[in-house]
Amino acid sequence: DTAVSQTPKYLVTQMGNDKSIKCEQNLGHDTMYWYKQDSKKFLKIMFSYNNKELIINETVPNRFSPKSPDKAHLNLHINSLELGDSAVYFCASSQDTGGYNEQFFGPGTRLTVL
Amino acid sequence: GIQVEQSPPDLILQEGANSTLRCNFSDSVNNLQWFHQNPWGQLINLFYIPSGTKQNGRLSATTVATERYSLLYISSSQTTDSGVYFCALLGSGNTGKLIFGQGTTLQVKP
Repeated sequence: DTAVSQTPKYLVTQMGNDKSIKCEQNLGHDTMYWYKQDSKKFLKIMFSYNNKELIINETVPNRFSPKSPDKAHLNLHINSLELGDSAVYFCASSQDTGGYNEQFFGPGTRLTVL
Repeated sequence: GIQVEQSPPDLILQEGANSTLRCNFSDSVNNLQWFHQNPWGQLINLFYIPSGTKQNGRLSATTVATERYSLLYISSSQTTDSGVYFCALLGSGNTGKLIFGQGTTLQVKP
């Protein structure tokens, strides 16, 4: 059983387009996250949601808009894609935001903007 | 905020060798995780270890929270151990934000 899944795995698109990445977790966790991994492999948080409520917005451009329809899903919509948005985007989930908080990651979505 | 520093940045081993990866951090932590990012890009949970010692097969980890470091031991390395090893710590503020180190890239040669 896949714990945290993302679709699509690869996304190639032109500058200026709008695209979405979907994430689902079947772990029964309350908190979900989006992380971005750049070309140097550095991983940084973008957003976190707890019980469908936005907890962290880590100074991400307004072109990025997360949406959490329920606790098991956290989608990422990106408007007006730019070359610099090319990266690998990881979704993750954890039981909660504090205390015991082991995070589990999805397989990643490699976004390439041409 | 918390600073996380991993060493060495790169490591090349012959199959069968042992190694120790280090993670230093600048503040007290409630959560520390070690991940392996395999060559296919998957982030695999190795250990959740805010303190103490844990072992899982050929891997073990020790966190000494009072001295602000964690060590990941790989024994009898195999080519499948190749990839990037990250430690990550929970930031302050009870937000769940994980702060990652820059990683150690390991290559195990046959």
